[in-house]
Amino acid sequence: GESVGLHLPTLSVQEGDNSIINCAYSNSASDYFIWYKQESGKGPQFIIDIRSNMDKRQGQRVTVLLNKTVKHLSLQIAATQPGDSAVYFCAEKKWGNQFYFGTGTSLTVIP
Amino acid sequence: NAGVTQTPKFQVLKTGQSMTLQCAQDMNHEYMSWYRQDPGMGLRLIHYSVGAGITDQGEVPNGYNVSRSTTEDFPLRLLSAAPSQTSVYFCASSYSTPPGNTIYFGEGSWLTVV
Repeated sequence: GESVGLHLPTLSVQEGDNSIINCAYSNSASDYFIWYKQESGKGPQFIIDIRSNMDKRQGQRVTVLLNKTVKHLSLQIAATQPGDSAVYFCAEKKWGNQFYFGTGTSLTVIP
Repeated sequence: NAGVTQTPKFQVLKTGQSMTLQCAQDMNHEYMSWYRQDPGMGLRLIHYSVGAGITDQGEVPNGYNVSRSTTEDFPLRLLSAAPSQTSVYFCASSYSTPPGNTIYFGEGSWLTVV
């Protein structure tokens, strides 16, 4: 079946460095993707989204890149801070308004 | 703004018991969903609703029941709790049309079935 998956389950980065979190998707018809951040004991929080007619979208310290050719999504976090430590999920929009989530990547920022 | 509110935050059930997880949103969102989150499994969709009076099944609906009598509320019922239903449950809501596809999540309900 179709699924959303992440390449790396854990990632450790030095404070101040840039972080890159990757996500692969298999449904070529998906037209909308979201990155979520989940801190321990809390619900997922929206970070940034991108539609399939875009290759790149930037937010505050975050950039999402979409490569439809290889069905790959990435989240870049600039100047990573300790507060960025969390689990990051990519979500793929299926039919209607339903989303399917990857298993998540745990980001640890080393002070 | 309250956003998406879930209750209870924590619950312990015995096998075979039934209970209802409550979810309410104050954003007038049409879409509401329930997900469960298990270690290493990510978020999996249980049931969803596209509006009052309309519900449908997601990926893992067995053992759960939902109803949507109002726009604001979307309770999730465990009919006969099983240890396999030990999980963290998240309720979510969103608008139905772009650009409001962003999903807003509640804070989660931790359920343990013994």
